[in-house]
Amino acid sequence: DAKTTQPTSMDCAEGRAANLPCNHSTISGNEYVYWYRQIHSQGPQYIIHGLKNNETNEMASLIITEDRKSSTLILPHATLRDTAVYYCIVHDAGGTSYGKLTFGQGTILTVHP
Amino acid sequence: NAGVTQTPKFRVLKTGQSMTLLCAQDMNHEYMYWYRQDPGMGLRLIHYSVGEGTTAKGEVPDGYNVSRLKKQNFLLGLESAAPSQTSVYFCASSSVARFYNQPQHFGDGTRLSIL
Repeated sequence: DAKTTQPTSMDCAEGRAANLPCNHSTISGNEYVYWYRQIHSQGPQYIIHGLKNNETNEMASLIITEDRKSSTLILPHATLRDTAVYYCIVHDAGGTSYGKLTFGQGTILTVHP
Repeated sequence: NAGVTQTPKFRVLKTGQSMTLLCAQDMNHEYMYWYRQDPGMGLRLIHYSVGEGTTAKGEVPDGYNVSRLKKQNFLLGLESAAPSQTSVYFCASSSVARFYNQPQHFGDGTRLSIL
């Protein structure tokens, strides 16, 4: 799986949009971009994933650049409960990967009142 | 909705003791995984299973054994615990899709301390 680069930490004011960037310049054609988050002491939680089109669900939006070398996770109205470590993972969708994920250090997002 | 359940939630062992961590999922998922997470680090894959009766090594398998006798359960064993195995252990499961791998669902973790 391709490696990802994320900022170590970010801050966001409550109620504002949180934009978390991720660089994955070596991504290959069959690799998806997945986002998970881990709230303190809990297991990671799936947020969203995409291949090349922008995606939106009830939790967040995922914007992938046209060359697919970077992406941005957007939490449209951050709340204090969104304070967590956010992991961007690039993952081969091929059958032999068996869904295995490689977690990096992630971005610590702190939402302030 | 139970999802992925891990037992126990906390455990303290002495060096050399053995124990088994249990993971149970009620979503009929084919794939199951065991990860460990050390302070300030991301999760690392220990072992995984792609179906009942099958297991495979992940990134950090040494010192651990696993078994998947039933589809819904995935057991992680420590035969002779060492202080280096002090960590938080997470289990996850996912279903199979034809064109991309489905998201993983995680349990709440087992906090294991080895003295």
